[in-house]
Amino acid sequence: GAVVSQHPSRVICKSGTSVKIECRSLDFQATTMFWYRQFPKKSLMLMATSNEGSKATYEQGVEKDKFLINHASLTLSTLTVTSAHPEDSSFYICSVLGFATNEKLFFGSGTQLSVL
Amino acid sequence: AQSVTQLDSHVSVSEGTPVLLRCNYSSSYSPSLFWYVQHPNKGLQLLLKYTSAATLVKGINGFEAEFKKSETSFHLTKPSAHMSDAAEYFCVVSSTGFQKLVFGTGTRLLVSP
Repeated sequence: GAVVSQHPSRVICKSGTSVKIECRSLDFQATTMFWYRQFPKKSLMLMATSNEGSKATYEQGVEKDKFLINHASLTLSTLTVTSAHPEDSSFYICSVLGFATNEKLFFGSGTQLSVL
Repeated sequence: AQSVTQLDSHVSVSEGTPVLLRCNYSSSYSPSLFWYVQHPNKGLQLLLKYTSAATLVKGINGFEAEFKKSETSFHLTKPSAHMSDAAEYFCVVSSTGFQKLVFGTGTRLLVSP
């Protein structure tokens, strides 16, 4: 079964609103969670890395004030897209690296965000 | 800087025939290389991983890949395709384990009866 739960799977919102995406590790405690963005016919691009209890590390070119990441517990990380615009429409995927998962990385099933 | 190039955006095979998905990489360091598969509405699943041990890596579901340093390639193969293999496949490179994965653009594998 799934070890990472990502919600919602699909969201449509109006321009200017904020959207929160949740990523939960179900069977283990996560040391690190990653957030990726995937454009159509493009590869996944790492947006940020978050560790529980500390500020996320953002990749170059990713606006930290626009893409707010909170990793408040060992099993939950959230990505909030603030003041969304149509260009933020994309597929967002989280992944989780666990304490005792033999260095395996587990991915969520992704969230398709459409901003009207 | 690291990068991967997946040479085919689409590959079509018939069920029971061999599969070859091509990947070339570029890395300044000794790379870790991965193949992931993405089925619709499912998370990415690790097929196999190369981390400087044996150059021929066997993965799940009958897939394997060979690391060829001289050709900077890490092609994915399977002797006999199954309908359930139809999916998107990503070649991935990293110099820091799972911390900074660099994904290719993906290859969609189509399997016909």
